[in-house]
Amino acid sequence: QQQVKQSPQSLIVQKGGIPIINCAYENTAFDYFPWYQQFPGKGPALLIAIRPDVSEKKEGRFTISFNKSAKQFSLHIMDSQPGDSATYFCAASGETSGSRLTFGEGTQLTVNP
Amino acid sequence: GAVVSQHPSRVICKSGTSVKIECRSLDFQATTMFWYRQFPKQSLMLMATSNEGSKATYEQGVEKDKFLINHASLTLSTLTVTSAHPEDSSFYICSARKGPAVGETQYFGPGTRLLVL
Repeated sequence: QQQVKQSPQSLIVQKGGIPIINCAYENTAFDYFPWYQQFPGKGPALLIAIRPDVSEKKEGRFTISFNKSAKQFSLHIMDSQPGDSATYFCAASGETSGSRLTFGEGTQLTVNP
Repeated sequence: GAVVSQHPSRVICKSGTSVKIECRSLDFQATTMFWYRQFPKQSLMLMATSNEGSKATYEQGVEKDKFLINHASLTLSTLTVTSAHPEDSSFYICSARKGPAVGETQYFGPGTRLLVL
């Protein structure tokens, strides 16, 4: 019940495309859903996060869509650039887990020039 | 901002030795810090949760006597890998929670690459 399933495992798009990464969770007690970006050899960096009281959040080129009834959330990257090539992790946490983050398996995104 | 640093960034040691990794929150006080381990092309695996002034809480399957965690101040947590072996070679990453509320954001350090020969 603590799992967060992420897909696809890898994704290749052309510059300017809109990659979409999906995550699904089971634990209805989760109430915080962040997305992290990780470059090789570096720690994850927080991109954007959402709570269940809204269905969408946008920050710059990054948008989270959240579907509470389906227990799914997704990351959209508008006008993707080669510099966005990285591994993206979704995560979830809730008060019952003491803010411990449960991570998805990760998506390796490649944006071709 | 919310900056978390780790030291060292890379360490190579001989099998059987102990290695200490430091995690510091540079511009905020972190009552809770977390230690993760990440193998190549895999996700982050939580090892333990560290609260300032108290014993760390380890995840199932993580040996607390092998991975010693100390959170002596609100800005510093340390992870000591004792009697390291080649299978302990990994990327170790800490994070710090900014603020006391459970839902507060975690900010990650840059990671420490450990290679045990």
